[in-house]
Amino acid sequence: EVQLVQSGAEVKKPGESLKISCKGSGYIFTNNWIAWVRQMPGKGLEWMGIIYPSDSDTRYSPSFQGQVTISADKSISTAYLQWSSLKASDTAMYYCARLFGSGYVGFYWWGQGTLVTVSS
Amino acid sequence: QSVLTQPPSVSAAPGQKVTISCSGSSSNIGNNYVSWYQQLPGTAPKLLIFENNKRPSEIPDRFSGSKSGTSATLGITGLQTGDEADYYCGTWDSSLSAGVFGGGTKLTVL
Repeated sequence: EVQLVQSGAEVKKPGESLKISCKGSGYIFTNNWIAWVRQMPGKGLEWMGIIYPSDSDTRYSPSFQGQVTISADKSISTAYLQWSSLKASDTAMYYCARLFGSGYVGFYWWGQGTLVTVSS
Repeated sequence: QSVLTQPPSVSAAPGQKVTISCSGSSSNIGNNYVSWYQQLPGTAPKLLIFENNKRPSEIPDRFSGSKSGTSATLGITGLQTGDEADYYCGTWDSSLSAGVFGGGTKLTVL
């Protein structure tokens, strides 16, 4: 069974750094793209970026380029999303998701979400 | 402002049919596959339609997808109160070299 299990909720202060994770299991982690999606409170889904763990090929949405870093450690089948300096506006639910198939056809598997709260 | 445009809300009575539109451009919908997602309150999104019009095996055939030019449509027939949710379209944008989602549509089953 394919599963994406994300790290737990975080409460941080503005200016702090953070790295959240998404561990894949039940499939060949290196061979499938994993994306990160933001959902701010009461708002819609926003595509942040995507990584191919085999070679760490990463694409970012222009809106998030330079604001976050997406990485992966294929030795432990885990993808990461990190911030070097959080802002209050980073408060949101973050989901990881895996594509269904080899092309960009849709995200079938989703993590349970990681709630990030940034507040002084 | 989302790259893909969806109506903010739609509504219909139980048992009726509803359609949700998703409008884009040649750089996204026009030349890439469209997917649709259902998000119930407090849960992760769920894939309803992939590759424009295909359903995962567990998705009932009450849900359908279509694409024409730079627009896509999600159809839901035999509406049930359990279908009340937010619905999102998504695709790849070749100009942005990034994925994009629509702004979402809230379905109310009256």
